Amino acid sequence: GAGVSQTPSNKVTEKGKYVELRCDPISGHTALYWYRQSLGQGPEFLIYFQGTGAADDSGLPNDRFFAVRPEGSVSTLKIQRTERGDSAMYLCASSFGRGQDTQYFGPGTRLTVL
Amino acid sequence: AQSVSQHNHHVILSEAASLELGCNYSYGGTVNLFWYVQYPGQHLQLLLKYFSGDPLVKGIKGFEAEFIKSKFSFNLRKPSVQWSDTAEYFCAVIPGGATNKLIFGTGTLLAVQP
Repeated sequence: GAGVSQTPSNKVTEKGKYVELRCDPISGHTALYWYRQSLGQGPEFLIYFQGTGAADDSGLPNDRFFAVRPEGSVSTLKIQRTERGDSAMYLCASSFGRGQDTQYFGPGTRLTVL
Repeated sequence: AQSVSQHNHHVILSEAASLELGCNYSYGGTVNLFWYVQYPGQHLQLLLKYFSGDPLVKGIKGFEAEFIKSKFSFNLRKPSVQWSDTAEYFCAVIPGGATNKLIFGTGTLLAVQP
C-alpha cells in the first residue's frame, strides 16, 4: 500500500517568508509525528498528533512553528518568518497509535532558507 | 542531558566483514529501542525494535541487536556485510512514559567496499 507522502520534496524560500509543509499519513494511522533533521544529525522530534489533537508539542523550537491536523489525517507544518537556521530536512511519520507500534517515515521535505 | 549516543560516526568495511555499531542511551527505567536505516536516496526504514522479552532481537536483512540493560546499550550486529548494506544507521529510543516520541542518535554512516 501507499506509504507516508510529503509535499513538496524541496522548498526554497527567502528569509522572513512563510512556508507550509504537508504530510499525508498511511491510511488508517491515527498517530502522526513531525521531526526535523539537520545535516549530520539524527532526526529531532517536533510534534505528535493523536487524531486531530496535538498530544505532545514539546519539540517545537519556538512560536514561529505551528502544526495542524484538522481532520485527523493530513497534517501541515507551518513556519512563519523563516530564518536561515530553519534550513533542514523535515520528516513526517505515522503509526497506528497503539502502544508499541512502529513509526513509518515519509521521504521528507528539504527546506532551504536563503 | 539525557541522550542517545552512537560512537561510530563513519565506518568503512569490506564485504563479508562483521559489523557492530554501538548505541548507548542515558534514560532510566523502561525504554523501547529501535534501529532505523536510511539507504542512499531512500527514506528511513525500521530495521528492528525491542520492547520486551528476549534481549536478542532479529531484524530484516540478517541484522540483529542485543539489549544489555546493565550497560544501557543496544548494539547492532551483522555477521557478514554486503555492499548493499551501505547506508546510514540510526539508533533511537522511546523513554518510558514518553508520548511515543523517538529520540535519535546522530547516526553512523556505513560504507561497504566490494
